Amino acid sequence: GAGVSQSPSNKVTEKGKDVELRCDPISGHTALYWYRQSLGQGLEFLIYFQGNSAPDKSGLPSDRFSAERTGGSVSTLTIQRTQQEDSAVYLCASSPGFRRGTYEQYFGPGTRLTVT
Amino acid sequence: LAKTTQPISMDSYEGQEVNITCSHNNIATNDYITWYQQFPSQGPRFIIQGYKTKVTNEVASLFIPADRKSSTLSLPRVSLSDTAVYYCLVGGPNTGFQKLVFGTGTRLLVSP
Repeated sequence: GAGVSQSPSNKVTEKGKDVELRCDPISGHTALYWYRQSLGQGLEFLIYFQGNSAPDKSGLPSDRFSAERTGGSVSTLTIQRTQQEDSAVYLCASSPGFRRGTYEQYFGPGTRLTVT
Repeated sequence: LAKTTQPISMDSYEGQEVNITCSHNNIATNDYITWYQQFPSQGPRFIIQGYKTKVTNEVASLFIPADRKSSTLSLPRVSLSDTAVYYCLVGGPNTGFQKLVFGTGTRLLVSP
């Protein structure tokens, strides 16, 4: 079946502009995550959605970042008033939860954001 | 959240077995150990997950000693396509799989 998809694959924006990044998780997956990865670095957790529960926003670096998940499926990460330090690859992942004793996250290809 | 320590990089040759060890001294009772692989310009991909002793699947084995303070990912007979970054993560239902810390991983380079 289809994997996690993200759009756009690349986004170049000017400092101060707002951007929206989209994630389409695997159908039926109840958990959805957003991470970001700066060049040569590991992944930084941003936000987590689980079913209809309130999202875990503890990883969002500032109030310029927000995310929503509509209908328990598609998610949008919004960055307002972008700064150059926001330049990174933004990765989305989804998970069906524990399945056959294993908890696995399925990652999308990411959106490369460049703020000029 | 349990912190992990793994080598920054490793080199190997095609056909060899590669073992990457990860230290996680403060692993919690309910934590699992998970390994992911990441190729350039791609998202990470799940390799294997275990709780104790040994787990094996079609691509790797995971060895976990009784004290669970470390683990070793074993890749049999690596090929050039195994060149990637490998992340060791520790977490579980009580500490939050959603906050798994990926760190900078181990960069494996496989040469001909």
